Amino acid sequence: DAGVIQSPRHEVTEMGQEVTLRCKPISGHDYLFWYRQTMMRGLELLIYFNNNVPIDDSGMPEDRFSAKMPNASFSTLKIQPSEPRDSAVYFCASKRGNEQFFGPGTRLTVL
Amino acid sequence: GQQLNQSPQSMFIQEGEDVSMNCTSSSIFNTWLWYKQDPGEGPVLLIALYKAGELTSNGRLTAQFGITRKDSFLNISASIPSDVGIYFCAGSTGTASKLTFGTGTRLQVML
Repeated sequence: DAGVIQSPRHEVTEMGQEVTLRCKPISGHDYLFWYRQTMMRGLELLIYFNNNVPIDDSGMPEDRFSAKMPNASFSTLKIQPSEPRDSAVYFCASKRGNEQFFGPGTRLTVL
Repeated sequence: GQQLNQSPQSMFIQEGEDVSMNCTSSSIFNTWLWYKQDPGEGPVLLIALYKAGELTSNGRLTAQFGITRKDSFLNISASIPSDVGIYFCAGSTGTASKLTFGTGTRLQVML
C-alpha cells in the first residue's frame, strides 16, 4: 500500500511568493494532520482534519497560513505571502485508529 | 502550553551497547508514543503506550508509561548501526489525535 504522499519534496521560493504544499493521505484514513519541523521549535502541529472538516487550527501561526481538505484524498497547505521564517520541513500525516503515519515531508526554503 | 522534555539531547554509543532515553511532561498524558526519524524522512511509530505503568516491547525496544502519567522511557538493547536517527516521544491527552512532540534525542552509533 502507498503511504502518505507529499509534493513537492523540495521547494525554494522567494519572499512574498505564494507556496502550496500538497498531501494525499492513506486511503481509508479519516484524520489528516499538518506539522512543521524546525531546529528551533521541533515538530509542531499546525492543523488537523477529521472526515475533511478542520477540527483544530490553533497551531496555525498566522493568517498567512491556510489549509483545505476538499475531499478525503487530498489536502493543501498554503502560505501567502511566504517569509524567510517559514523555512522548515512540513509534514503531512494521516491516521485511522491510534497510529499516525507520516509522509516524507516537504522541505521549504524561502529566500 | 504542554511541553515535553527529552533527555539526553544526543548520544554517541558503541555498537552493541544498550541505550536509555526518557521524556518528562509538565502535564498528564493518556497516551505516550515513541517515534524514530531517519534523515530526510518522516517519523515512524515504534511503540505506543496507553495505560499508566504499561511496559511494552517491540523487538530490541522496550518502553514504559510512567505511573504518574507525566513521563516515559525508551530502552534499546544491543544497539546496531541502523538504530542511528532521532527519537521522539509524543503525548496525547485524548485519542492520540492531537500529539505534543518532545525535543528529540539524536542517537549515533560508533562501529
